[in-house]
Amino acid sequence: QLQLQESGPGLVKPSETLSLTCTVSGGSMSSDDNYWGWIRQPPGKGLEWIGIISSSGRSYYNPSLRSRITISVDTSKNQFSLRETSVTAEDTAVYYCVRQDGLCRGVGCYSVWFDLWGQGTQVTVSS
Amino acid sequence: QSVLTQPPSVSGAPGQKVSISCIGTSSSIGAGFDVHWYQQLPGTAPKLLIYANSRRPSGVPDRFSASNSGTSASLAITGLQAEDEAFYYCQSFDSPQSRWVFGGGTRLTVL
Repeated sequence: QLQLQESGPGLVKPSETLSLTCTVSGGSMSSDDNYWGWIRQPPGKGLEWIGIISSSGRSYYNPSLRSRITISVDTSKNQFSLRETSVTAEDTAVYYCVRQDGLCRGVGCYSVWFDLWGQGTQVTVSS
Repeated sequence: QSVLTQPPSVSGAPGQKVSISCIGTSSSIGAGFDVHWYQQLPGTAPKLLIYANSRRPSGVPDRFSASNSGTSASLAITGLQAEDEAFYYCQSFDSPQSRWVFGGGTRLTVL
């Protein structure tokens, strides 16, 4: 059974770079045509989609975060990563890594959902 | 204005039926993008509850159902149980912004 696990520092200073890694276990992330991505949840608030990447490296980002976000993939390690630059207190959140599935692929696909979630990792931006 | 709007809270007694609405726009649900629903129990990650408007993943009880109409969607829970107490989120696609979006979430309280 496929599982996702986030890892990375829980505390990041303002203006610095947040880096998180998601490790996929129980199977190969490149064995199917899924996309992999990140979603975050600020304290006491709802969910925000950050971005996704395919196992071949095709990525799509939330336009509101695009200038600060990079998602990369390393299929040899069964991992994908998030890098978010110039963080502020507004980036404080629980960050979830997810698997995206759907009836089609890519941005603009009419039916895409997130069927696997990691347990989430708390990231606090504070000096 | 949020792309997907949900009521902040709903409540019901055990055994009753509750419904949670998800009001979208002509560029999201109204444009034909499917709606998916997630359940987030306290202190846990969200879990996929309904996908492609009305399909249930394996293991989700048939007490949970969903439907769409026009620019809105609705999640129904029948035979309410204490374990259903959680936050529920709808999700779809915002075509003008080319991004996947979630509703603000609805807190279900079982009285």
